[in-house]
Formats: sequence, structure tokens, C-alpha cells
Amino acid sequence: RKEVEQDPGPFNVPEGATVAFNCTYSNSASQSFFWYRQDCRKEPKLLMSVYSSGNEDGRFTAQLNRASQYISLLIRDSKLSDSATYLCVYPGDADKLIFGTGTRLQVFP
Amino acid sequence: DTAVSQTPKYLVTQMGNDKSIKCEQNLGHDTMYWYKQDSKKFLKIMFSYNNKELIINETVPNRFSPKSPDKAHLNLHINSLELGDSAVYFCASSQGEGHIDSYNEQFFGPGTRLTVL
Repeated sequence: RKEVEQDPGPFNVPEGATVAFNCTYSNSASQSFFWYRQDCRKEPKLLMSVYSSGNEDGRFTAQLNRASQYISLLIRDSKLSDSATYLCVYPGDADKLIFGTGTRLQVFP
Repeated sequence: DTAVSQTPKYLVTQMGNDKSIKCEQNLGHDTMYWYKQDSKKFLKIMFSYNNKELIINETVPNRFSPKSPDKAHLNLHINSLELGDSAVYFCASSQGEGHIDSYNEQFFGPGTRLTVL
């Protein structure tokens, strides 16, 4: 089983829609999780951290479910500029990042 | 101001050649990394250095040799390039010291797209 698994998508949604992605992880000892965003042919950038109590930043909400070992990202009121690949990440030993393969989101007008 | 920069941005070369990719960060971070993103977009750690000292060395062929002349620079030299080395290589840096319970955000460079013909 891969350490981090994501549905590669693409998720095609209209502007204004709400969309959610899930990510499952295998290392139950993981304490921290993150969502990174990667635009086409660009570098990954940190979108938000995921805490046990959840995390909300504007239109973005991240949740952690330790019992089922998954994290989720909810995007409300999707914008065209949200089109990107969303990478589920957690830090392994010595701060190395373990990346999922990413979920591609395409928002259309 | 570019925080993490890489050169070159594109690199096209023949099999068997030796090439280097350079990375510099002006964030004052202690730790730098090299990641490889293959054609399936899977991003994987290759190496990390903390204050010029090798911390992580994943299962990478020894044709790949990182070099850190100072903590602001981490270069990647690749010998005898193979077709399978074609990928995008990302450099990153963070303030982390390698402690798993004190994650520090990693900042990525723009990537170097390597194509081996």
C-alpha cells in the first residue's frame, strides 16, 4: 500500500461549486498533515496545514480523521484560479515530505 | 526577490553525459532538499542537507551526487545520464533541523526540467 493515496481526478467542476478531496495515509503515527497546491509546470506551495481539530482558511477547510486515516480538503465557491493539482503531504523522518500523487482540479466557467 | 532559485530551468542532453543543476536559497534556512517529480507527477525526496551535512539519502543511484558548498547552496551532479532520469527536479529549503515533531514549511524552487535523449 502506498504511504499516501489520492484520487488523481481530474475533478471538473463549475465556478461556484463546492468540491472535496480525500487522501488516505498508511502511517498511523503521523502527527502532521498538509495540503500543497501545484499549478501546471510550477513548484508546489503550501496551501494549509491540517490539525486534529480541523483547519479553515477562507473558502478552504481541511479535516483529519485519525480513526479512518484520511484527511480531506473542501473548497467552497470554486474559482477559476483554484484549478491546480492538490497534493496531500505529511512529513517523514528528518523533515522529508511524503507526497501523494495529487488530485487535479479543473474549474470551468 | 527569488527565495529559492535553480539553474538551469531546462536541460536537454544526451544519454551518457554528465550534468549539474544548481540551487540557491536566500531565506537563511538551514536545510535544503532535492526532490524528483517523474512523468506521472509523483514527487519524491532524493536528498536533504542540514548545514552542509547530508541528512537524508533515499535510494538514489550513486550516479547522483549532491554537493553543498555552504548552507545557502545545494547542487546536484548527475553522471552517465539515463533516459529514466528525465524528470523535473525541485530544490527546496526549510528552517527545519530534522526533528519530526517540529515541521517547518518547505519552500520550493521553480524546478529544472531535465530531458535525456
